[in-house]
Amino acid sequence: DTAVSQTPKYLVTQMGNDKSIKCEQNLGHDTMYWYKQDSKKFLKIMFSYNNKELIINETVPNRFSPKSPDKAHLNLHINSLELGDSAVYFCASSQQSFADRNTEAFFGQGTRLTVV
Amino acid sequence: GENVEQHPSTLSVQEGDSAVIKCTYSDSASNYFPWYKQELGKRPQLIIDIRSNVGEKKDQRIAVTLNKTAKHFSLHITETQPEDSAVYFCAARNTGNQFYFGTGTSLTVIP
Repeated sequence: DTAVSQTPKYLVTQMGNDKSIKCEQNLGHDTMYWYKQDSKKFLKIMFSYNNKELIINETVPNRFSPKSPDKAHLNLHINSLELGDSAVYFCASSQQSFADRNTEAFFGQGTRLTVV
Repeated sequence: GENVEQHPSTLSVQEGDSAVIKCTYSDSASNYFPWYKQELGKRPQLIIDIRSNVGEKKDQRIAVTLNKTAKHFSLHITETQPEDSAVYFCAARNTGNQFYFGTGTSLTVIP
């Protein structure tokens, strides 16, 4: 069973389109994240979300919006796609409790987004 | 937010030698420091981690040290093998449960 799964794995789309990437975790974690990995391999946090609070990185354009229908899902919607949005997007999840041994962030397999 | 710096950005070592990667963080309240390995085209995966109440942790050929006062932590890989070649990321988790990553180190182990 895949712990954190995201779809699609590859996404090619034209500038100006709106697209979504889905993410699901079956680990029972209370926090989910979206990260952007650019061509230089930098992993930048975009959002973190638990059932209480959404934290948005201030550098993320408001064309990006996370939507969480329930605790196990955090989807990423992107409006009016631009060339600079091309990157690999990773979903991740973790458990906040410090007492829990497994406190690391588990990553999905990534979605390679190419905007043409 | 937290700022994590990582050095070096690239590292080449001969097989069997040791590799050391260093990171610093800015938020003194950060309490958990994982290290991830990312192979080409794959997801980052945890290789070792350390909590703020521990100074050193070892798992076979890899070890991590943490200096809370200086706010820096390091990854040590001994007896490197070609399969250790990958990009390595350090990270710091703040009290808001957000993980901030270093800029990555591309490690090449030369056979």
